[in-house]
Amino acid sequence: QQPVQSPQAVILREGEDAVINCSSSKALYSVHWYRQKHGEAPIFLMILLKGGEQKGHDKISASFNEKKQQSSLYLTASQLSYSGTYFCGTEGGKLTFGKGITLSVRP
Amino acid sequence: DTAVSQTPKYLVTQMGNDKSIKCEQNLGHDTMYWYKQDSKKFLKIMFSYNNKELIINETVPNRFSPKSPDKAHLNLHINSLELGDSAVYFCASSPRGAEKLFFGSGTQLSVL
Repeated sequence: QQPVQSPQAVILREGEDAVINCSSSKALYSVHWYRQKHGEAPIFLMILLKGGEQKGHDKISASFNEKKQQSSLYLTASQLSYSGTYFCGTEGGKLTFGKGITLSVRP
Repeated sequence: DTAVSQTPKYLVTQMGNDKSIKCEQNLGHDTMYWYKQDSKKFLKIMFSYNNKELIINETVPNRFSPKSPDKAHLNLHINSLELGDSAVYFCASSPRGAEKLFFGSGTQLSVL
């Protein structure tokens, strides 16, 4: 079953922070995060495994709460290069992606 | 060296034709996938192969037939193309299932 991502779109100024959420109605074993720029392939950001851990990738970090079946991606002091579509993927035998959230960072 | 390469990058064809997309990975991964991304950017898994064996086959019309001659290659053949098949098709690989996916650059298929 497809995870649900929110909000639908995010528009930021450079330097602002943002949070993107991902939730599932099914128990989660892991959550993947990918970013896709226009006309390019999705690029892996991070995987979070059970345990409520938080991971980081540059100024992008994420948390995973398996009890709430939710993950959040935190973008701190956003840069122009953060613009793109962010997908979360949940794993239950296969990686199923949410619909993606378009994030635009403006100067 | 490109890790996951797929050809062609663009494919424009008429309805009813048959076409193939090829994918190769040089990462030594065991698992390969085909994903379809529609115009709304929805990224949906179609097939997954593990070491040449089909392990995931989503509800995809049987006009789509994947073939894995060896674990480094996963091709997608599409028969009797329809307008609704227009999309970007991504090949991907991972060391094993449930791990980081490495995507190819995609094939933009346009059916006229």
